[in-house]
Amino acid sequence: DAGVIQSPRHEVTEMGQEVTLRCKPISGHNSLFWYRQTMMRGLELLIYFNNNVPIDDSGMPEDRFSAKMPNASFSTLKIQPSEPRDSAVYFCASSADRKAFFGQGTRLTVV
Amino acid sequence: QQQVKQSPQSLIVQKGGISIINCAYENTAFDYFPWYQQFPGKGPALLIAIRPDVSEKKEGRFTISFNKSAKQFSLHIMDSQPGDSATYFCAASRGDYKLSFGAGTTVTVRA
Repeated sequence: DAGVIQSPRHEVTEMGQEVTLRCKPISGHNSLFWYRQTMMRGLELLIYFNNNVPIDDSGMPEDRFSAKMPNASFSTLKIQPSEPRDSAVYFCASSADRKAFFGQGTRLTVV
Repeated sequence: QQQVKQSPQSLIVQKGGISIINCAYENTAFDYFPWYQQFPGKGPALLIAIRPDVSEKKEGRFTISFNKSAKQFSLHIMDSQPGDSATYFCAASRGDYKLSFGAGTTVTVRA
């Protein structure tokens, strides 16, 4: 298995634009997580899916953020409109048997 | 409110020395305690994990020590090597659910 695959690896966008981050979890994993990593706040959980259903989105900063998981092999995290304070590295992780595996991340820069 | 407190923030060790990172938690419902290793530009990678029914787990040069009564656990890196230079995160979770991460410790191994 190729592991958790995220795209794009880097994204630079202008403030106010819509940004969509994509994730392909490891096949057979039934849990998917979106995390955000910044120097100031460390690793923060944004949202957690189990069997494609959102279970906990309490970490989503505000309504500008939304996430979907239309099937077991794909998830998106959308920010609309984007703001400079959204600049961070966004990680997707999938897990089975308590072991979470992270993707390489998407480095988002909003200018 | 950080549920897992990690220290030190950074440490420098000579090649061949021992690196020790400490974590403390409050939530007694936590039942799974993994450690992740992260290299620059990469996602966190699962290194080793322990459950509270054992006091120690060793994998190669990496050992977790767990003190349930004190609600503390630590990572020991024996015979530290330059390739171990990375950021290490402790984490905790309950059920097959979200990981609460510590703030991270940057380890630098000097040759």
